[in-house]
Amino acid sequence: GNSVTQMEGPVTLSEEAFLTINCTYTATGYPSLFWYVQYPGEGLQLLLKATKADDKGSNKGFEATYRKETTSFHLEKGSVQVSDSAVYFCALKGGSEKLVFGKGTKLTVNP
Amino acid sequence: DVKVTQSSRYLVKRTGEKVFLECVQDMDHENMFWYRQDPGLGLRLIYFSYDVKMKEKGDIPEGYSVSREKKERFSLILESASTNQTSMYLCASSFASEQYFGPGTRLTVT
Repeated sequence: GNSVTQMEGPVTLSEEAFLTINCTYTATGYPSLFWYVQYPGEGLQLLLKATKADDKGSNKGFEATYRKETTSFHLEKGSVQVSDSAVYFCALKGGSEKLVFGKGTKLTVNP
Repeated sequence: DVKVTQSSRYLVKRTGEKVFLECVQDMDHENMFWYRQDPGLGLRLIYFSYDVKMKEKGDIPEGYSVSREKKERFSLILESASTNQTSMYLCASSFASEQYFGPGTRLTVT
């Protein structure tokens, strides 16, 4: 079945550092890929998405590229801020409406 | 603005009680979902509904049931709460592959 594996946290960075959170997937067919973010005390919200190979999703300075050859969708940001502290979830959507989530990576950014 | 609301942010119940968690969306979405979120396990799908009165089991349906009598409302029911159901419960609705989440209900069963 479909599955998502993302790097385990927690990740702690200083402000303005470069961020990478790795995500790889296993799926049949051509899934859509997503990154969701959960700020403290809130539900999840969509950060970015990509629906086909080589697509790049981007939002709020975050980027991720759908790499079919490596079955990856790594999240990157060039310069993180304290306000980026949150839990990040990689997810995929196959043929149904259901999403399959990774286990989440907690990011803490220190000033 | 898209909105998914959940009836309670925090809930404390006793073992054996029947518990209702309510979720309402105002976007006329066909699909609605219930997840539980636990540290180290991420989000796991309990049930989802693709239309009024239609439901499908997710990955961990045991101990739960659901009800969808109106399009905007999707209820999660714990028939007899147990301590291992202490968790964060998240509701979502979806349109065009994007899921919109409510703020969550943190349920503690003592």
